[in-house]
Amino acid sequence: ETGVTQSPTHLIKTRGQQVTLRCSSQSGHNTVSWYQQALGQGPQFIFQYYREEENGRGNFPPRFSGLQFPNYSSELNVNALELDDSALYLCASSFGLRTYEQYFGPGTRLTVT
Amino acid sequence: AQKVTQAQTEISVVEKEDVTLDCVYETRDTTYYLFWYKQPPSGELVFLIRRNSFDEQNEISGRYSWNFQKSTSSFNFTITASQVVDSAVYFCALSVRDDKIIFGKGTRLHILP
Repeated sequence: ETGVTQSPTHLIKTRGQQVTLRCSSQSGHNTVSWYQQALGQGPQFIFQYYREEENGRGNFPPRFSGLQFPNYSSELNVNALELDDSALYLCASSFGLRTYEQYFGPGTRLTVT
Repeated sequence: AQKVTQAQTEISVVEKEDVTLDCVYETRDTTYYLFWYKQPPSGELVFLIRRNSFDEQNEISGRYSWNFQKSTSSFNFTITASQVVDSAVYFCALSVRDDKIIFGKGTRLHILP
């Protein structure tokens, strides 16, 4: 059984650019949630995808968007990057809406300069 | 609204000392889950424990123990005989029903040799 994987591990972008982060869910899981963890803070919920549809969103602007594919892997897209978008982005997968049984990936560290 | 407060931003103890990390949560729901995660410098969130709101029994796992008290809305975490490898940021978190996980800001724990 493979765990949650994320790519890339690290990424450096310039303000105004666009970025795509990827997450492969754990085998058998059909729900992916994305979190942003700024330096010195706890992770904050961005949104969740369940069976390819968005199922809940946190307090993030529309330039944060996502996608879930038929194999339940997921992408997080951020347009018009701002310096404050620099953070560790974590994805977590679960089966159904059992948020209490989420498994987290290792994260992608995004630096915006 | 739900909230998790970890009042201790940073703690330093000498190896082999016991240390308790405090967590206070807020929710009006009667069904919820509480979590503790460990985040070493590598950044990955390591799941430590999940407790549902109907189970107030304290739990011990090796050197780790957790004290859940609904009367004070607290879910404290104690490490006995701390070791240098315990150095990390520890997050307490809350999930209400099937909703997103809400994290505290974390406590950075330094175990000094």
